[in-house]
Amino acid sequence: SQTIHQWPATLVQPVGSPLSLECTVEGTSNPNLYWYRQAAGRGLQLLFYSVGIGQISSEVPQNLSASRPQDRQFILSSKKLLLSDSGFYLCAWSEWGGRLGQPQHFGDGTRLSIL
Amino acid sequence: SQQGEEDPQALSIQEGENATMNCSYKTSINNLQWYRQNSGRGLVHLILIRSNEREKHSGRLRVTLDTSKKSSSLLITASRAADTASYFCATDGRSSGSRLTFGEGTQLTVNP
Repeated sequence: SQTIHQWPATLVQPVGSPLSLECTVEGTSNPNLYWYRQAAGRGLQLLFYSVGIGQISSEVPQNLSASRPQDRQFILSSKKLLLSDSGFYLCAWSEWGGRLGQPQHFGDGTRLSIL
Repeated sequence: SQQGEEDPQALSIQEGENATMNCSYKTSINNLQWYRQNSGRGLVHLILIRSNEREKHSGRLRVTLDTSKKSSSLLITASRAADTASYFCATDGRSSGSRLTFGEGTQLTVNP
């Protein structure tokens, strides 16, 4: 069966420090991968998605970047964190479904606090 | 851009009652999905309904889709305290590939 791992679960970082969040998927090949951010009590904002190794699409301009160095590894990074980067970060994967659509499967998230 | 919007924002009911949550969106879609999120956790997929479907059932869940009104509803029958969570709709637009646009969610509280 497929599983998704996301770590760390919580992270407290000072303003201006770098960031690296990692997400890995097991049990599937060539998944679509997604990074979302969720503000408290709000919906999900799509940050990045990837349909293959080295293929990254950015949804919103921001202080973050993403990379996919391996088929089932998705990394969210920042060189210098801002206070506004605080939030709950979620990684997800899906099969490619075309117009039929596919459910997305989420990790348990990383709660990032910037001090 | 399209966006799912749920209402109500919050819903509090007693165990055993039915809970109905609504979702509206703005542009044409391929399908609509409902997800559940327990506090501090990731989202869990509940059900997917395609644009050519009008109703779908899964256990105690019933989802309807009205593409003419660009709206969907999620009904949870015979609710339980364990159903307490946030519920989100997400749409997969015809030009968005596999990307989903999530609504702001409905916080459901089921009181024992």
